[in-house]
Amino acid sequence: AQSVTQLDSHVSVSEGTPVLLRCNYSSSYSPSLFWYVQHPNKGLQLLLKYTSAATLVKGINGFEAEFKKSETSFHLTKPSAHMSDAAEYFCVVTPYGNNRLAFGKGNQVVVIP
Amino acid sequence: GAVVSQHPSRVICKSGTSVKIECRSLDFQATTMFWYRQFPKQSLMLMATSNEGSKATYEQGVEKDKFLINHASLTLSTLTVTSAHPEDSSFYICSATGDRKASTDTQYFGPGTRLTVL
Repeated sequence: AQSVTQLDSHVSVSEGTPVLLRCNYSSSYSPSLFWYVQHPNKGLQLLLKYTSAATLVKGINGFEAEFKKSETSFHLTKPSAHMSDAAEYFCVVTPYGNNRLAFGKGNQVVVIP
Repeated sequence: GAVVSQHPSRVICKSGTSVKIECRSLDFQATTMFWYRQFPKQSLMLMATSNEGSKATYEQGVEKDKFLINHASLTLSTLTVTSAHPEDSSFYICSATGDRKASTDTQYFGPGTRLTVL
């Protein structure tokens, strides 16, 4: 069963416009949720994480995400895209009640000048 | 804080040879380390989980005799790809969780190692 769903494998946004990346998850436990960013040929950098504290999580580089349990969602947003935001974004969940991670398929974000 | 390094960043080897990749936690003690494999334009696939001083736990379908993992200290884990073949060419990424409260629930990722087998 798919633990993490990220639709829209490719997302194009114009510089200065909002970014919205959707993530839905399934878990029998109370999961921890993360968004990571990966630039080409680089490792993953943690953007933000939710671990049962405030449902609106603020991360680095102006990104934030809101945990909505009723919708099993953890969408990532940023008010204004910057050229440096062009990268691959992964929604990641701990669906098994331990520290094993389940990755979404990723969103490739392209920022148009 | 919570920096993970990998060495080498890129390696090219001949088919049939073995390659060792190192993963180090630089500023924390990594009680658990993870090894992932990433194919082009795909997500990360967990290969194995290793705890310091014990045998690694491999995911289903991952050959433990092919991918040897050693986690001999709290700051170092190694992945050895034995008798490498072209189909083993991939991007290998490690991650680590630590023993400090701030990092026990978060995996910190290394920059990855690009393996090319000719």
